Amino acid sequence: DAKTTQPTSMDCAEGRAANLPCNHSTISGNEYVYWYRQIHSQGPQYIIHGLKNNETNEMASLIITEDRKSSTLILPHATLRDTAVYYCIVKQMGIKAAGNKLTFGGGTRVLVKP
Amino acid sequence: NAGVTQTPKFQVLKTGQSMTLQCAQDMNHEYMSWYRQDPGMGLRLIHYSVGAGITDQGEVPNGYNVSRSTTEDFPLRLLSAAPSQTSVYFCASTDSLSTDTQYFGPGTRLTVL
Repeated sequence: DAKTTQPTSMDCAEGRAANLPCNHSTISGNEYVYWYRQIHSQGPQYIIHGLKNNETNEMASLIITEDRKSSTLILPHATLRDTAVYYCIVKQMGIKAAGNKLTFGGGTRVLVKP
Repeated sequence: NAGVTQTPKFQVLKTGQSMTLQCAQDMNHEYMSWYRQDPGMGLRLIHYSVGAGITDQGEVPNGYNVSRSTTEDFPLRLLSAAPSQTSVYFCASTDSLSTDTQYFGPGTRLTVL
């Protein structure tokens, strides 16, 4: 699996957009970028994923660079409940793929402040 | 749907005791997995299963056994608990037919004395 690099921590003001970067320079052509988050003491929660096009859902937007070596997760209007550790993960899709397992790195600890 | 459920939520064991952590899902997912999370660390894969009757080892399988007799259940067994197994254990099931999203249970917090 491709390795990812994320900032250790970042602060964000409530109501403002939070932009979380992730570097994955060794990503291969069949690997997707997934984002999960873990709120304190809870199980990880899926946020969004993408291959090469930008993606948006009710939680966030995912911007992937054209060369796919990096991506940014955008929380458009951060709330206090968005305080969590955010994990960027690259993996192949599909139960049969050898790289199907999620490999969690250290993630980015995001603190949303009032 | 209840999603992924885990029992118990908390457990204290003495060194050498055995126990089974229960995990169940009602989403008819084929792929299920167990992770452990130590304080301040990311999750590490213990064992996983790609379907009933099929299991395989993850990154940190030593000291743990699993079985998958039904699609719904994926119990994790600690044969002889050790203090190094003090951790929070998360079970997950994967929607492998579409988005490959993993859904996690609420976790079991295990302390081995």
